[in-house]
Amino acid sequence: SQTIHQWPATLVQPVGSPLSLECTVEGTSNPNLYWYRQAAGRGLQLLFYSVGIGQISSEVPQNLSASRPQDRQFILSSKKLLLSDSGFYLCAWGAGHTDTQYFGPGTRLTVL
Amino acid sequence: DQQVKQNSPSLSVQEGRISILNCDYTNSMFDYFLWYKKYPAEGPTFLISISSIKDKNEDGRFTVFLNKSAKHLSLHIVPSQPGDSAVYFCAASVNYGQGNLIFGKGTKLSVKP
Repeated sequence: SQTIHQWPATLVQPVGSPLSLECTVEGTSNPNLYWYRQAAGRGLQLLFYSVGIGQISSEVPQNLSASRPQDRQFILSSKKLLLSDSGFYLCAWGAGHTDTQYFGPGTRLTVL
Repeated sequence: DQQVKQNSPSLSVQEGRISILNCDYTNSMFDYFLWYKKYPAEGPTFLISISSIKDKNEDGRFTVFLNKSAKHLSLHIVPSQPGDSAVYFCAASVNYGQGNLIFGKGTKLSVKP
């Protein structure tokens, strides 16, 4: 069966510090991978998606970037965090854009 | 261990009829529940929510019912329209939405003209 992992589960970082969130998927090959953010009181916002190694599409221009160094690894990064980067970050995978997406457990990021 | 379960992966309904999407949860600490709608190639969009102090919340054609004793919630869409065809995710949280969201796997709704 497929599983999706995210870490860390929670993170508190000062403004201006770098960020690296990691997501890995097991039990499937060549998944579509997604990064979402849930800000307080708002819906999920798609940040990035990837259909293959090295292929990243950005949905919303902001202070973040994503990379996919391996087929089942998706990394969300920032060089300098802003207060507005605080939120709940979800990684998801899907077998195709039309299929159900399966979400990871999420990372709660607080920028102080 | 799935804390939020959507046991029907798909549902097909005729236009104009009622669509009922179901969701069960196991964690009695959940006190805030949300439904998301997702079209292909787009991120999920928030649809409607309900807190545990209520048993019903209505927004236009969409109504969410919460049965805390059964740990069950449902989303009713009346009348269903072809544009409602999408994947619907149920999600739950603690601390009235401030906790991490736990999502179900989704139900794909097809509304046929």
